[in-house]
Amino acid sequence: GQQLNQSPQSMFIQEGEDVSMNCTSSSIFNTWLWYKQEPGEGPVLLIALYKAGELTSNGRLTAQFGITRKDSFLNISASIPSDVGIYFCAGQRDFGNEKLTFGTGTRLTIIP
Amino acid sequence: GAGVSQSPSNKVTEKGKDVELRCDPISGHTALYWYRQSLGQGLEFLIYFQGNSAPDKSGLPSDRFSAERTGGSVSTLTIQRTQQEDSAVYLCASSPGGGNTIYFGEGSWLTVV
Repeated sequence: GQQLNQSPQSMFIQEGEDVSMNCTSSSIFNTWLWYKQEPGEGPVLLIALYKAGELTSNGRLTAQFGITRKDSFLNISASIPSDVGIYFCAGQRDFGNEKLTFGTGTRLTIIP
Repeated sequence: GAGVSQSPSNKVTEKGKDVELRCDPISGHTALYWYRQSLGQGLEFLIYFQGNSAPDKSGLPSDRFSAERTGGSVSTLTIQRTQQEDSAVYLCASSPGGGNTIYFGEGSWLTVV
């Protein structure tokens, strides 16, 4: 099935550094979501974006819904060890068909 | 319960056997989804329920896969004649519908040997 293009695939950063990852699609989505998944767990929602151009923050996390509705980015500032995990973007086309299309994931590793 | 509950959490089965995976969504959630995640991969959509009907089952990989939902609540994903490539984590999610947030369970880890 279709997946969104997410980059980078993996990141190795030092504690305290900022992180940036993005997601692109060839088609439009009307909602963009960012999830985090830790080993043995299901994905947990971090941020939801509902409007093109929207910039939303959740603590040290900031995400933006691209103006073309074909992309989104997630920034994490001042990373800490518990930020380790796999981050997935997800797009949703419309309310009538609510399935999410997921990105390929960004695996974040933090070096103490 | 407070969250989406899935069972079994782990299942090892022999190739060729049938398996059933169960999902209890969050109470009151009308929408229910099944996704599959292979090791180190992203999430692959399988099927979506709105109430008891499945308006989108486009992601089911073959006719060995089927799912049903009864009473607008519990859902069962059945895989017949399992193959080794079916080994994956099967994730269930639910939402109140209407474009609201989708919440995931912890998944059922299936290993076919």
